Amino acid sequence: GQNIDQPTEMTATEGAIVQINCTYQTSGFNGLFWYQQHAGEAPTFLSYNVLDGLEEKGRFSSFLSRSKGYSYLLLKELQMKDSASYLCAEVGRGSTLGRLYFGRGTQLTVWP
Amino acid sequence: KAGVTQTPRYLIKTRGQQVTLSCSPISGHRSVSWYQQTPGQGLQFLFEYFSETQRNKGNFPGRFSGRQFSNSRSEMNVSTLELGDSALYLCASSLNRWGPSGANVLTFGAGSRLTVL
Repeated sequence: GQNIDQPTEMTATEGAIVQINCTYQTSGFNGLFWYQQHAGEAPTFLSYNVLDGLEEKGRFSSFLSRSKGYSYLLLKELQMKDSASYLCAEVGRGSTLGRLYFGRGTQLTVWP
Repeated sequence: KAGVTQTPRYLIKTRGQQVTLSCSPISGHRSVSWYQQTPGQGLQFLFEYFSETQRNKGNFPGRFSGRQFSNSRSEMNVSTLELGDSALYLCASSLNRWGPSGANVLTFGAGSRLTVL
């Protein structure tokens, strides 16, 4: 599980909806995480998907398609505090639980 | 409940020196993983410890080492520092089992930012 690909930067305005895409290698897949990281802070857990479909948690939702090696994080009703880096990370099959393969992160800027 | 604590938060070293970074996991978490974060490479896995044993190691040179103590606290050491070792070093702890959400969630500390001059 490597070659995680996500856009480097995205911008959006307050109140809007933004979708951050992530693609990964399908072989050896064993789950996919999304983390949020504000500048100078620790990454914090947002969501985990292992089965196909949409997981909704308040303003944030995450979608997974295992056959396509594709996931997205959907952020609704954007707020200024949502400006952060969003990290997509894969759990590789056969890997230990503490090892995740991360994308380089998508820096989201929310404008007023 | 206290989070993952990393010390020091910031440090500056010169080439050739060595550095030791410390991580105190969340109480009850026995698994500790270390990651290096740089703007160019993102988060890259260094190693993982569980019950004082290294269970997995990333693709880093032997200058990078670590250990875990019986209280689950962990340290990592980098010897003969190079300019390219400048990075944010993140520690994450977990229960090392699938939780209610179906995931083994890693909880990260705020990191130790190392600058090598």
